[in-house]
Amino acid sequence: DAGVIQSPRHEVTEMGQEVTLRCKPISGHNSLFWYRQTMMRGLELLIYFNNNVPIDDSGMPEDRFSAKMPNASFSTLKIQPSEPRDSAVYFCASSLRQATGELFFGEGSRLTVL
Amino acid sequence: SQQGEEDPQALSIQEGENATMNCSYKTSINNLQWYRQNSGRGLVHLILIRSNEREKHSGRLRVTLDTSKKSSSLLITASRAADTASYFCATHTGANSKLTFGKGITLSVRP
Repeated sequence: DAGVIQSPRHEVTEMGQEVTLRCKPISGHNSLFWYRQTMMRGLELLIYFNNNVPIDDSGMPEDRFSAKMPNASFSTLKIQPSEPRDSAVYFCASSLRQATGELFFGEGSRLTVL
Repeated sequence: SQQGEEDPQALSIQEGENATMNCSYKTSINNLQWYRQNSGRGLVHLILIRSNEREKHSGRLRVTLDTSKKSSSLLITASRAADTASYFCATHTGANSKLTFGKGITLSVRP
């Protein structure tokens, strides 16, 4: 199994630019999660989907952040416009067993906003 | 908000020694999970213990759970240099799939 695939692995952009992060979950998994990791705040859950439907987006920092899951094999996290404080590693994770919550993580997308 | 808080924040041991890491949490849980993260990589699931379980083993890993104290410990026996990583506890609460992570423990195993 290829695991959770994220792209890009690294992104450097300038403040004000639009950033789109992509995720392909493990085939057959029905839950998908976006997390953000920083030294100061640790791992924060931004949003998660069950069967492609957003269930809880209370962790999305503000309206500049949006996430979509148009089908079971693809999700995007978009930041527009980006700000330096958005610099972090963004992880996508997927899960098969909704009841237990065991997560499989991608390798992350390291975002630097200058 | 952080549900699980790990202790200590950093741990340095010699290869062959045992490493014990602790996690405390605040609210009732369905299960508690431990993950490992190597530098620059994603998190990897290690072990899950349900709220009605007290102890679980997996290879060199031993996890305990004390729901009365709202705490868990992860023991790695006979540590190896390859165990050097950050370790996170995560609590699964409620009827949905939400997992909340602590800030992690940095373990260094000296060869």
